[in-house]
Amino acid sequence: GNSVTQMEGPVTLSEEAFLTINCTYTATGYPSLFWYVQYPGEGLQLLLKATKADDKGSNKGFEATYRKETTSFHLEKGSVQVSDSAVYFCALSVVSGGYNKLIFGAGTRLAVHP
Amino acid sequence: GAVVSQHPSRVICKSGTSVKIECRSLDFQATTMFWYRQFPKQSLMLMATSNEGSKATYEQGVEKDKFLINHASLTLSTLTVTSAHPEDSSFYICSARGKEPGLINQPQHFGDGTRLSIL
Repeated sequence: GNSVTQMEGPVTLSEEAFLTINCTYTATGYPSLFWYVQYPGEGLQLLLKATKADDKGSNKGFEATYRKETTSFHLEKGSVQVSDSAVYFCALSVVSGGYNKLIFGAGTRLAVHP
Repeated sequence: GAVVSQHPSRVICKSGTSVKIECRSLDFQATTMFWYRQFPKQSLMLMATSNEGSKATYEQGVEKDKFLINHASLTLSTLTVTSAHPEDSSFYICSARGKEPGLINQPQHFGDGTRLSIL
C-alpha cells in the first residue's frame, strides 16, 4: 500500500540550529512528494515538492531531495528561525480510484526557541 | 496565486443542527476539490473527493448521508454536516486543484480550515 512515515515530534530547537525532519514512504508506481507546513489554527501551505527521483525541492531555506533508493524525502534547513515553528507534513501523491490523492504523514511539530 | 478561501473559520452550534462549510478557489478554476478532517494533533484524513458537476467519491468509513458534498461550479464546493453531534466536532479543511494541461501531480492548495464545535 501507500503510506508516509515521519519522525515523531515535537522537535525543539534553538534559533539558528540545523533542522532535519525524516520522512520515508512506501508507494506503488512513481509518486510525487511534498512537504506542507501548518501554522496554528490555519490550513496547510505547500512548502516544496519533487516529482521524480533525485529532484530537490527548495523554498524559504528549506530543502528536500527525492531519494528513490532509500524511499526518503527528508526535510532540512540550515538555520531555523522562531517563525518556522509549525507542524510539518510529508505527503505523497498517488493515483487511486481514478483520482490523484494526497497521503499524509502524521506530522511533526517543530518548536524553535530564541 | 492559487488562493483557496474557506468559510466560516469557526462554527459553534447546538447538537442536531446542520452546518454548511464553503470552499472557494479565488483565482483559478478548481476541477477537483478535496475535503479533509483533522483531529487534534493528528494528520489529515481524506473524507471525499469531488469533481465539478459530478458526485463526490467518499473514502471508506465516511457516511455520505452525514457529510453532504456539492461541487456545483469550478470555484465552489460545499460540505454540509447534517444533524451534527458532538463527535462531529473537528477541524475540517478543504483543498482544491486546478487543471493544468501537461502537468501531472500538480499540488493541492488548501483553505485555512473550519473549526466545528458541536455542543
